[in-house]
Amino acid sequence: AQSVTQLGSHVSVSEGALVLLRCNYSSSVPPYLFWYVQYPNQGLQLLLKYTTGATLVKGINGFEAEFKKSETSFHLTKPSAHMSDAAEYFCAVSGLITGTASKLTFGTGTRLQVTL
Amino acid sequence: DAGVIQSPRHEVTEMGQEVTLRCKPISGHDYLFWYRQTMMRGLELLIYFNNNVPIDDSGMPEDRFSAKMPNASFSTLKIQPSEPRDSAVYFCASTSGASEQFFGPGTRLTVL
Repeated sequence: AQSVTQLGSHVSVSEGALVLLRCNYSSSVPPYLFWYVQYPNQGLQLLLKYTTGATLVKGINGFEAEFKKSETSFHLTKPSAHMSDAAEYFCAVSGLITGTASKLTFGTGTRLQVTL
Repeated sequence: DAGVIQSPRHEVTEMGQEVTLRCKPISGHDYLFWYRQTMMRGLELLIYFNNNVPIDDSGMPEDRFSAKMPNASFSTLKIQPSEPRDSAVYFCASTSGASEQFFGPGTRLTVL
């Protein structure tokens, strides 16, 4: 069984400030981890993913996340927030089983607000 | 590629009516997923298909919901009869093997 916990349903940062969105997961198998972003009235768009290999993953729009197995975390960061980053962000976990796709389990989402 | 295509983008209907949502996955993808998003419950997986065969429908809320995938390029999610609590945004997503899912723009359903 898998689960995802996103700490903080709303996060507000000033433009230019560090963005940190927290995600902790639980998985009985080696996890694949994802961050998706959803802009208003749109579908979900992949920001980045961790499968295997390097634990620091870089994604689009300057975002990155680090897989920390010991902490069961996959926090999303961006050094400097931009107004266009305002959106809802979802962390998700997928438990890969023998090479077949597995369903994603999503967190409840974190709404990022960026202020001037 | 045009991405995952969903239609209609918006649907307003009255309680008791039948609603059909449509999805065209990305060509070559062999997995298709239907999700529902509400403020109260977040993103919920309703059902998913592999090679047009339903694999897991444990998320389908009740018998009023049904989904089909008659071929690799088309799937439907049907609600009959619809109820106000079915109001939500319904997403379709597709993927190929062990990779990220690609989401469509969603269908916003309002049941009056």
